[in-house]
Amino acid sequence: EPEVTQTPSHQVTQMGQEVILRCVPISNHLYFYWYRQILGQKVEFLVSFYNNEISEKSEIFDDQFSVERPDGSNFTLKIRSTKLEDSAMYFCASSDFREAGELFFGEGSRLTVL
Amino acid sequence: AQKVTQAQTEISVVEKEDVTLDCVYETRDTTYYLFWYKQPPSGELVFLIRRNSFDEQNEISGRYSWNFQKSTSSFNFTITASQVVDSAVYFCALSVNTNAGKSTFGDGTTLTVKP
Repeated sequence: EPEVTQTPSHQVTQMGQEVILRCVPISNHLYFYWYRQILGQKVEFLVSFYNNEISEKSEIFDDQFSVERPDGSNFTLKIRSTKLEDSAMYFCASSDFREAGELFFGEGSRLTVL
Repeated sequence: AQKVTQAQTEISVVEKEDVTLDCVYETRDTTYYLFWYKQPPSGELVFLIRRNSFDEQNEISGRYSWNFQKSTSSFNFTITASQVVDSAVYFCALSVNTNAGKSTFGDGTTLTVKP
């Protein structure tokens, strides 16, 4: 069964460092998303991406965050200068237009900022 | 704006008991989708069900059943004959048709099933 894969599974970084989280969505999917879950809290929407551009972003997704799909398969989330409060699990998801609303989530990348 | 309320923070049951997880949602959109996800201790999000706003039929899948009532804006989830493996955090989520992949999640209900 096709699945969304994310790397790394866990990354530890120093405050102020840049981090790139990578995702490989399901190959025929057209819509891509990043969500965040701070430990023990709810899952929060960060950004949606379609047709090589951001379609919507939340207030969490400030100038420190960026997304891109550099090569038609990977979908990346970059945090330019990490802060302690960026420590969270980051989930990538993708969906097929024909099944709008059904998200396929990856297993998550845990980011720890020290 | 959308809102999802899961009033039960934690529930603890003994194996084989039935348990219902409550979910109440708010939206002004007439077309929307409701979801339940399971997050086991390993951390991944496991999709359980999607319902659209035009389909109020209740659904049963094995030991799982869902009761969607638009009149009360609720989408409750029942596990029959619970098992230890059902122990997890369960999230209810809502998205609307304008961006169907942008889901608003509830705070989650932690279910513990004791042997």
